[in-house]
Amino acid sequence: GAVVSQHPSWVICKSGTSVKIECRSLDFQATTMFWYRQFPKQSLMLMATSNEGSKATYEQGVEKDKFLINHASLTLSTLTVTSAHPEDSSFYICRTTTGTSGVGGTDTQYFGPGTRLTVL
Amino acid sequence: RKEVEQDPGPFNVPEGATVAFNCTYSNSASQSFFWYRQDCRKEPKLLMSVYSSGNEDGRFTAQLNRASQYISLLIRDSKLSDSATYLCVVKGRGSTLGRLYFGRGTQLTVWP
Repeated sequence: GAVVSQHPSWVICKSGTSVKIECRSLDFQATTMFWYRQFPKQSLMLMATSNEGSKATYEQGVEKDKFLINHASLTLSTLTVTSAHPEDSSFYICRTTTGTSGVGGTDTQYFGPGTRLTVL
Repeated sequence: RKEVEQDPGPFNVPEGATVAFNCTYSNSASQSFFWYRQDCRKEPKLLMSVYSSGNEDGRFTAQLNRASQYISLLIRDSKLSDSATYLCVVKGRGSTLGRLYFGRGTQLTVWP
């Protein structure tokens, strides 16, 4: 079945460095990718939505120059946390869908396994 | 006001107990409703969809009350393996079509 891989699963970096997180769809095309951040004991918060070949749409309060999203192909979307700081430490998860989302639609959600980022 | 509100718990119950989780959502036009399970440091996994007529999957029963904008999940005969965080998830429609709104999750621990 459809699978989304996410890499790395766990990363520790120094403050000020940049970290790139990749999400790949395996055996299917991910036209749209949703990027989430989850702090401990909190809900998944949508950061941005990316569509292949176009600029990502960021949620209010998410700095687009800090969280760079690239969705250059139908199987790969990347999130780069630039100049990371300790407050960026979080669990980052990507999600994509297949099928149709409308009323009566049969879309299926696929989550990446997540990336745990720790910034020292 | 948050789109989806859940009691974060934690709920600590013995094996075999019945436990119920509740959730409310703010957008009356919401399209679809789900319960997801999330284990520590893992991605959410779909537990079950929630239908207006209510639905059951083994030990799990989900109910939806559109008038009250209220969703529930009942777990009967709890197992140790049920220990996890349960996320109430609502899918938008119209301008927010395809977008999922997550509750913060209700933590369940089942003890022997």
